[in-house]
Amino acid sequence: KAGVTQTPRYLIKTRGQQVTLSCSPISGHRSVSWYQQTPGQGLQFLFEYFSETQRNKGNFPGRFSGRQFSNSRSEMNVSTLELGDSALYLCASSPLTYEQYFGPGTRLTVT
Amino acid sequence: ELKVEQNPLFLSMQEGKNYTIYCNYSTTSDRLYWYRQDPGKSLESLFVLLSNGAVKQEGRLMASLDTKARLSTLHITAAVHDLSATYFCAGDMDSNYQLIWGAGTKLIIKP
Repeated sequence: KAGVTQTPRYLIKTRGQQVTLSCSPISGHRSVSWYQQTPGQGLQFLFEYFSETQRNKGNFPGRFSGRQFSNSRSEMNVSTLELGDSALYLCASSPLTYEQYFGPGTRLTVT
Repeated sequence: ELKVEQNPLFLSMQEGKNYTIYCNYSTTSDRLYWYRQDPGKSLESLFVLLSNGAVKQEGRLMASLDTKARLSTLHITAAVHDLSATYFCAGDMDSNYQLIWGAGTKLIIKP
């Protein structure tokens, strides 16, 4: 089975721009979660989607948004980028059980 | 609110030695996870511990869970250089659909 894929893998953006990251879960997995990883704040939960519904959202400003499509693929969007948004963004998919499988991540650099 | 604390945050050890990483959590967690992360890479699932007294072993790594003490440990036996990585513990609750992470333990194993 193919693993979780994330695109793009690397991205450089300028402050004020917006960015969209994509995540394709493992086939059959209906839950997709997003996490931000930075050296200062560590791993922080962004949001979780199941069957196109957001079930939980972390403590991030409204500039961070996401969605899930009917095929379980998910996107997250960050608008009005700030330098502090530079991070590794990790997507994880999960079957109906609890275990989460992580993708390779998208490394976003904001200049 | 679930909080997860790991210690130590940094550990440098010699090959062949044994050591333990500790993970304390603040309130009831339905599950306790251990992940490994190599530099610049994603998260690899090591163990999922579901109940009090659970013990799981894979090679030189053994994880255990004491729900009464709210403590999980990751024990490394006869360390080898290939185990150098950052190790994270995380907890979750069924109602929240998110992982709450410890800060990570950076493990360096010297020949």
